[in-house]
Amino acid sequence: AQTVTQSQPEMSVQEAETVTLSCTYDTSESNYYLFWYKQPPSRQMILVIRQEAYKQQNATENRFSVNFQKAAKSFSLKISDSQLGDTAMYFCAFMKRSGGGADGLTFGKGTHLIIQP
Amino acid sequence: EPEVTQTPSHQVTQMGQEVILRCVPISNHLYFYWYRQILGQKVEFLVSFYNNEISEKSEIFDDQFSVERPDGSNFTLKIRSTKLEDSAMYFCASSRDRQATNEKLFFGSGTQLSVL
Repeated sequence: AQTVTQSQPEMSVQEAETVTLSCTYDTSESNYYLFWYKQPPSRQMILVIRQEAYKQQNATENRFSVNFQKAAKSFSLKISDSQLGDTAMYFCAFMKRSGGGADGLTFGKGTHLIIQP
Repeated sequence: EPEVTQTPSHQVTQMGQEVILRCVPISNHLYFYWYRQILGQKVEFLVSFYNNEISEKSEIFDDQFSVERPDGSNFTLKIRSTKLEDSAMYFCASSRDRQATNEKLFFGSGTQLSVL
């Protein structure tokens, strides 16, 4: 079974600052995917970024980037030039790459990110 | 952008009653999922559904739960004999392909189930 750990229950930064959210995971799988999801107060889950474990290059999406360290099983999210709209819960998630079927995500407990004006 | 629609947004039921949570996935999607989130806790995978059958299910998804795609557009989660601990936000999600490929997973806005 996989586990995902987010050690920061809450973080607060000033608008326009850069913030890094931590995530570690444990798995015996060699092929898998990692995700960061954002959950604003509306509670809808929104995909922020995705990383395929077999790719060494870190994924980026505009102001969002990851630092993927496969050997250390670490997958942190960096948000540059943070904006008030970034205030939300952020969940790190893992999914194994199985041979068939539709696989479920394993989520961490989340980090509540607050962007202060 | 296309949306996954869930109804109702909030459902209240008495302990022991049966509830059906409804979802309309995006029309050309083939993979369907249910997740739940107990207040203040992490999101947990319940079940995935493909080609009119359950593809994968978690330990949470026991005989109390069932899923169905009754008419080619709706995707339902039935909870029989609800318990207090079933109170949670239930999220439906869908994807056109297996979630880890280029297609992303679309989540609905959730149904908040309150069991009294």
